[in-house]
Amino acid sequence: NAGVTQTPKFRVLKTGQSMTLLCAQDMNHEYMYWYRQDPGMGLRLIHYSVGEGTTAKGEVPDGYNVSRLKKQNFLLGLESAAPSQTSVYFCASSLMVNTEAFFGQGTRLTVV
Amino acid sequence: LAKTTQPISMDSYEGQEVNITCSHNNIATNDYITWYQQFPSQGPRFIIQGYKTKVTNEVASLFIPADRKSSTLSLPRVSLSDTAVYYCLVGRMDSSYKLIFGSGTRLLVRP
Repeated sequence: NAGVTQTPKFRVLKTGQSMTLLCAQDMNHEYMYWYRQDPGMGLRLIHYSVGEGTTAKGEVPDGYNVSRLKKQNFLLGLESAAPSQTSVYFCASSLMVNTEAFFGQGTRLTVV
Repeated sequence: LAKTTQPISMDSYEGQEVNITCSHNNIATNDYITWYQQFPSQGPRFIIQGYKTKVTNEVASLFIPADRKSSTLSLPRVSLSDTAVYYCLVGRMDSSYKLIFGSGTRLLVRP
């Protein structure tokens, strides 16, 4: 039982490049979330999903897109990376709304 | 969404009990109070959740007064490994809820 797995763990992008971060959970959870965390700051919600095929905007959605084609996967895309998107990205999942959320190990993204 | 206010930081020593208070004056009737812990370079980890009075598990206790306008996370006999950021979240059990974290309280446990 792996829990929540994020791929990749580290990535360096050049400004303007695109990439997709993958979050996979094996707990049959309905809810999934993507966050970013800048140094010394709290987590900020980017997008979330309340079930397969659904997505919704969080606090800081601009510059990111997401998809939840399969219940176990939640993808975060950056179409044109900017240095301001340098951050640590965390994915989380929960069985239902406001139940215990489980987090992945994070993806450290640097945009140069 | 109920706004929460926590101290930015706290210091303690090994073996002491630590109490972190969170204010949530505009908490709604259906809101629950949840606390998460985050170690450096890791994602947050759920600690405890409650609605009223007192909740206790193997890690911590959560005290919620009758008016529910605040809550206190109590960590008994902290150790160096309890050094972390602690987040208080308030929200309801319906689809309107977004799992939004504030700035948290940075707890430093000293030897």
